[in-house]
Amino acid sequence: DAGVTQSPTHLIKTRGQQVTLRCSPKSGHDTVSWYQQALGQGPQFIFQYYEEEERQRGNFPDRFSGHQFPNYSSELNVNALLLGDSALYLCASSFTAVGPDTQYFGPGTRLTVL
Amino acid sequence: GEDVEQSLFLSVREGDSSVINCTYTDSSSTYLYWYKQEPGAGLQLLTYIFSNMDMKQDQRLTVLLNKKDKHLSLRIADTQTGDSAIYFCAASTSGTYKYIFGTGTRLKVLA
Repeated sequence: DAGVTQSPTHLIKTRGQQVTLRCSPKSGHDTVSWYQQALGQGPQFIFQYYEEEERQRGNFPDRFSGHQFPNYSSELNVNALLLGDSALYLCASSFTAVGPDTQYFGPGTRLTVL
Repeated sequence: GEDVEQSLFLSVREGDSSVINCTYTDSSSTYLYWYKQEPGAGLQLLTYIFSNMDMKQDQRLTVLLNKKDKHLSLRIADTQTGDSAIYFCAASTSGTYKYIFGTGTRLKVLA
């Protein structure tokens, strides 16, 4: 049973560019959340997608956008990259139901903005 | 606002018990989680506890919750060198979907 997968593993971009990160959820999961983890910090919630719609958003600017596809996979897009966007981007999947929507994390995509 | 705090470092000897502490501010936190992160990797779910419980045991792991003080701890029995990692405490609240994470506790296990 495959867990959460993310691609690419690493990415280097320059300021002002745009980037797309991809996530495939764990089998049986229908919900995808994205987090940003800066060096030495805990993950910060960006947004969550369920039924192909953004269900909740954290304190991130509109430069951060996402999408969820009918097969539950998801993309995170970041426009007009800033140096401060350099971080590990983590995708987490869960199953929306009664009870805890326990989130399982992928290995992350390391984004470096030069 | 919502906040989760953890001490930054803990060092223990192999075979000893480790206790990692966490405090949270949101009294309506419903579920509390512990994750482990090894260098260059994602987060591995270790265990979670519902807010109406005060203890949960899972093999070498014991979670204690003091809801009155909003204090959570993770005890690792017979700590091994493979337990060296960063441990994150996270809180979620019913009706929201985000997890609030602490800054992580770096556990170093000395042989």
